[in-house]
Amino acid sequence: EVQLVESGGGLVQPGGSLRLSCAASGFTFSDHYMDWVRQAPGKGLEWVGRTRNKANSYTAQYAASVKGRFTISRDDSKNSLYLQMNSLKTEDTAVYYCARGSTVTPLDSWGQGTLVTVSS
Amino acid sequence: QPVLTQSSSASASLGSSVKLTCTLSSGHSSYIIAWHQQQPGKAPRYLMKLEGSGSYNKGSGVPDRFSGSSSGADRYLTISNLQSEDEADYYCETWDSNTRVFGGGTKLTVL
Repeated sequence: EVQLVESGGGLVQPGGSLRLSCAASGFTFSDHYMDWVRQAPGKGLEWVGRTRNKANSYTAQYAASVKGRFTISRDDSKNSLYLQMNSLKTEDTAVYYCARGSTVTPLDSWGQGTLVTVSS
Repeated sequence: QPVLTQSSSASASLGSSVKLTCTLSSGHSSYIIAWHQQQPGKAPRYLMKLEGSGSYNKGSGVPDRFSGSSSGADRYLTISNLQSEDEADYYCETWDSNTRVFGGGTKLTVL
């Protein structure tokens, strides 16, 4: 059974940084692309970005709203995905989900999410 | 990039059927989409992948009551024999080599 478990959320001040983690199990993590999606309180889903697999050079892509501030990385030896968030803004407040997908498939498995609150 | 348009809300009675619509933007009518369900306070759940031909593949454990169909740029999710647990937000998703996009979501109320 595919399992994705996010951690690392919390309260951070505007301009601060936070690193989220996603632990994966139940599938061959290294074969798959992985995405981050967020959901602001009471709002819809917003794609944050993705990292490709080793065969595709681990290249990452980002939504315009986070490009230059957020960095997605992974450690296949630990079956883990990361989201480094810098220069955080109040509008980055959201539940952040990791999910499994690729450039040719939908997101077919989701984690339970971790809440990030950016506030002074 | 593609844009997905969904009605903000829908309602139907317990035991009846409802058809939700997701419309692809001009120039993207051939795109494959996916449907996701998000029950209150929970993470999204993948329901199915739906092609422009109307062919669909459901995720593991998705009840037979859920089905998909297509017409032109419109992609549909039909839920038959509505149950109380079907009350949720439903999102469509599409993707390409550069991005992934979600519709605004439809809040389904089961009366």
